[in-house]
Amino acid sequence: EVFLVESGGGLVQPGRSLRLSCAASGFTFDDYAMNWVRQAPGKGLEWVSGIIWTSDYIVYADSVKGRFTISRDNAKKSLYLQMNSLRPDDTAVYYCVKSSGFYLVDWFDSWGQGTLVTVSS
Amino acid sequence: SYELTQPPSVSVSPGQTATVTCSGKTLTNNHVSWYQQKPGQSPVLLIHGVTERPSGIPERFSASISGNTATLTITETQAMDEADYFCQAWDGNTAVFGGGTKLTVL
Repeated sequence: EVFLVESGGGLVQPGRSLRLSCAASGFTFDDYAMNWVRQAPGKGLEWVSGIIWTSDYIVYADSVKGRFTISRDNAKKSLYLQMNSLRPDDTAVYYCVKSSGFYLVDWFDSWGQGTLVTVSS
Repeated sequence: SYELTQPPSVSVSPGQTATVTCSGKTLTNNHVSWYQQKPGQSPVLLIHGVTERPSGIPERFSASISGNTATLTITETQAMDEADYFCQAWDGNTAVFGGGTKLTVL
């Protein structure tokens, strides 16, 4: 069974940084692309970023481009999201999401439980 | 930017058929997926590849596509199906979600 466990969320002031982590288990981590998807309180889903299995190709949503950095450590079976210059509209539950294949253009077949990031002074 | 349009809400009586639509440009490919999210829970994959259902998803859930509109159909709707439903597609290498549809089983 696939398990994705996010950590690192919390309350942070605008302009500050936060790093999210996702620990994966139950599957061969380096065989799959991984993603971060967020959901603002009471709102819909927004894809944030994706990274293919080799880390050679990374894509970001326009809303976070230049501020967020996705990375992965296949040896540690972990996915990360470095979030800089945080803004109040980045407040959301951030989900670690597994793609169904090596590359990004696939479906999202497993989701973590999410970690809440609140950006507020 | 690429958008997927869903109705904000759909209501259905128990045992009846519910349909949720998702409209957007260039939906005529195989990369449309549907997700179910119950209150307080993470989303769950319902349908991928336009019509394919993962193991464990009841046969009551099906999907189709016609032109620029994808449709999720839930037959014999049950109270447990009350949830938010999101469609998802790809704009190049960027994933896009519809705004979500709240299904109410009255």
